[in-house]
Amino acid sequence: QVQLVESGGGVVQPGGSLRLSCAASGFTFRDYGMHWIRQAPGKGLEWVAVIWYDGTTKYYADSVKGRFTVSRDNSKNTLYLQMNSLRAEDTAVYYCARDYKSRLFDYWGQGSLVTVSS
Amino acid sequence: EIVLTQSPATLSLSPGERATLSCRASQSVSTDLAWYQQKPGQAPRLLIYDASNRATGIPARFSGSGSGTDFTLTISSLEPEDFAVYYCQQSSDYTFGGGTKVEIK
Repeated sequence: QVQLVESGGGVVQPGGSLRLSCAASGFTFRDYGMHWIRQAPGKGLEWVAVIWYDGTTKYYADSVKGRFTVSRDNSKNTLYLQMNSLRAEDTAVYYCARDYKSRLFDYWGQGSLVTVSS
Repeated sequence: EIVLTQSPATLSLSPGERATLSCRASQSVSTDLAWYQQKPGQAPRLLIYDASNRATGIPARFSGSGSGTDFTLTISSLEPEDFAVYYCQQSSDYTFGGGTKVEIK
């Protein structure tokens, strides 16, 4: 069965950096685009970034553009999110999700909490 | 940017009742609209895509309708496990609506 497991979350100071990972299993990872989506505490869902199946194309939400970088290693079935210049408003649970039909999210991980605080 | 507005923010109903949730887009999205369910402490789950197609394993009591700017998610008879938050999402720039919480009355 499809499994997505995020890791790498934690507490970081404003201006700091953190890298999240998402380990995929149960499907052919290299055939699918992948997304990062976040949810601030008690708030709704916000799409963050997408990377095409082969890593050649990436898109970002305006709120993270220039600070976050999405990447993948298809040999390791792993998705990454490098987060730099973190702000308090980046505090959220970060989910990785598999792309479906180039516009939907059909499988989600359990999430990884990132807290930006001094 | 397309904005999705969901209403009501909270819906208080009893098990067995019918739930009708609304999602309105600021401009036409054709039928490129999906619905997700999120229970406390869990990741969202895809329910409906392309406005009216149920995702794999989703019970028939969930149905979606609409096109253009106005969409509806209907739960025909609420089961205890259906009390959750529901989000609509459009695919041109992946944005989500603000959510509707379906709570037990």
